[in-house]
Amino acid sequence: DIQMTQSPSSLSASVGDRVTITCRASQSISNSLNWYQQKPGKAPKLLIYAASSLQSGVPSRFSGSGSGTDFTLTISSLQPEDFATYYCQQSYNIRFTFGPGTEVDIK
Amino acid sequence: EVQLVESGGGLVQPGGSLRLSCAASGFTFSNYWMSWVRQAPGKGLEWVANINRDGSETYYVDSVKGRFSISRDNAKKSLYLQINSLRVEDTAVYYCVRMRWLRSGDAFDIWGQGTMVTVSS
Repeated sequence: DIQMTQSPSSLSASVGDRVTITCRASQSISNSLNWYQQKPGKAPKLLIYAASSLQSGVPSRFSGSGSGTDFTLTISSLQPEDFATYYCQQSYNIRFTFGPGTEVDIK
Repeated sequence: EVQLVESGGGLVQPGGSLRLSCAASGFTFSNYWMSWVRQAPGKGLEWVANINRDGSETYYVDSVKGRFSISRDNAKKSLYLQINSLRVEDTAVYYCVRMRWLRSGDAFDIWGQGTMVTVSS
């Protein structure tokens, strides 16, 4: 199975900060990488698909990049509603796997 | 409105069984692959199983193979997860999720609210 790692596991940031989260796959997954946001007690929400495509309705401050094994999720200017946990997920192999998550909290 | 609503969770003893259901509405259910994803308390997301459009193909994470069975009834617009031989480590919120092909791969674009399964004696 393809293993996914994320860094950092958590970070503290202020409103307006630029935030970058990294995801790494154990083998090349081309650009078959998705990002999700989850708030406490809620179901996850799809933010980015195919590494860099913004899901409909997601604010443009979210962006994704990367291919192969290394990927990033960037929030250009952190807003109060962005404090949440973010997960990457590979869809290259039908046996999908998620990264362990990155918790973004308020500094 | 596109919606997935799970039911069937609850408290069960180790070794017991449950059948989770998911009712789909607002989209043509038979056109989509579907999945179950779970999340143990305070932990991350774990993909559990996939099923193709007509139910002829299924895939499972290794930890549930032989114990869990995913199925669907397109006429009833419903997805199911039969979970047997439950273990304490199966305790989690179970999400019903729609898979959608987006550009170069599938993504989980619609999620239910989740149903809690607690395995405890």
